Amino acid sequence: QSVLTQPPSVSGAPGQRVTISCTGSSSDIGAAYDVHWYQQLPGTAPKLLIYGNNNRASGVPDRFSASKSGTSASLAISGLQAEDEADYYCQSYDSSLSGYVFGTGTKVTVL
Amino acid sequence: EVQLVESGGGLVQPGGSLRVSCAASGLTFSNYGMSWVRQAPGKGLEWVSRITTSGTTSYADSVKGRFTISRDNSKNTLYLQMNSLRAEDTALYYCAKKYGGSYHFDYWGQGTLVTVSS
Repeated sequence: QSVLTQPPSVSGAPGQRVTISCTGSSSDIGAAYDVHWYQQLPGTAPKLLIYGNNNRASGVPDRFSASKSGTSASLAISGLQAEDEADYYCQSYDSSLSGYVFGTGTKVTVL
Repeated sequence: EVQLVESGGGLVQPGGSLRVSCAASGLTFSNYGMSWVRQAPGKGLEWVSRITTSGTTSYADSVKGRFTISRDNSKNTLYLQMNSLRAEDTALYYCAKKYGGSYHFDYWGQGTLVTVSS
């Protein structure tokens, strides 16, 4: 089963900007399927953060932004806040599997 | 407000079977595709299975032939029948609602824990 590759962890001081990469393949992100991002706070279910490559879900502050290019995507968090400390997952669709693929997950730590 | 509530998790021996359910409310259930996504303790998210509005199903390779997804639109409920369970199936199982024509999930349940151990 294919997965999307993310860095295991990123960290930054309050107010700084961090980015998380998400690398796929020609059968998922590269096949023109959209990339979506989820935030999972400790002990809770994932929550939709970004959909359709760069659209913030309802209630998501504009500190969160995302983009997609080729077989990769990225999520940026600017003005990092303590409440942003969580795990973040990218997600796309794989036509060869007729199923969904998730990224390996990235833990964001606010120093 | 859309709510998804999973149930049916528990402790099962290797080789055993279990059925988990997801009760949906606050939406016209029959209009949406649904999926099961699992998360092993301390690990990342893994998509398990999906069912479309027309009943078409697909599965991750790791569960193909062992798990069966189904839905009962009259009861607004999604199911996952899990057979021949293995230790590596131990996880929190989430149900998730597909957003319209896009391949992403806009609502998630809180999950039900399945533990496979002797």
